[in-house]
Amino acid sequence: AQSVTQLGSHVSVSEGALVLLRCNYSSSVPPYLFWYVQYPNQGLQLLLKYTSAATLVKGINGFEAEFKKSETSFHLTKPSAHMSDAAEYFCAVSGGSNYKLTFGKGTLLTVNP
Amino acid sequence: NAGVTQTPKFQVLKTGQSMTLQCAQDMNHEYMSWYRQDPGMGLRLIHYSVGAGITDQGEVPNGYNVSRSTTEDFPLRLLSAAPSQTSVYFCASRPGTDIYNEQFFGPGTRLTVL
Repeated sequence: AQSVTQLGSHVSVSEGALVLLRCNYSSSVPPYLFWYVQYPNQGLQLLLKYTSAATLVKGINGFEAEFKKSETSFHLTKPSAHMSDAAEYFCAVSGGSNYKLTFGKGTLLTVNP
Repeated sequence: NAGVTQTPKFQVLKTGQSMTLQCAQDMNHEYMSWYRQDPGMGLRLIHYSVGAGITDQGEVPNGYNVSRSTTEDFPLRLLSAAPSQTSVYFCASRPGTDIYNEQFFGPGTRLTVL
């Protein structure tokens, strides 16, 4: 079984400030981990993914995430927030022989001018 | 490529009515799935398919039916709509069945059941 916990349903930052969105996972097998972003009234699009090649993963729009096995975490960061980063962010995990992707409940990021 | 398309974008139903949400992809992806998104709940898997003629249940399958007669199409049927099925529905597809492949999402269908 696998699960994802996103700490903080709503994060608010100022433009130019560091963005940190937290994700912890639980998986009985080596996991694959994903971050997706959803802009208002749109579907989800992939930001980045961890597939065991490298623990620090770089994605689109300046985002990156670090896989920390000892902490079972996959936190998403961006050094400097931009107004266009305002969206909902979902962490997801998959693993094992099943085909399923399990999503966290999402974190809404607000960027203040 | 149009990617993943969904119709309709919006739908209002009365309790007990049935309808089909359409999903199509033009990327020749083997894997397709349906999710529902509710506030504070994230996305929950309803049904999925690993190829034409093969479907299976996800986390919340009750009240929904699917079939996969072609690679391109994966319709979701609501048999007898209930207010609890008011939600935003997303269809997604990915190449092959490897779980590390990116899933591509459609724009969603916003369904209200009165």
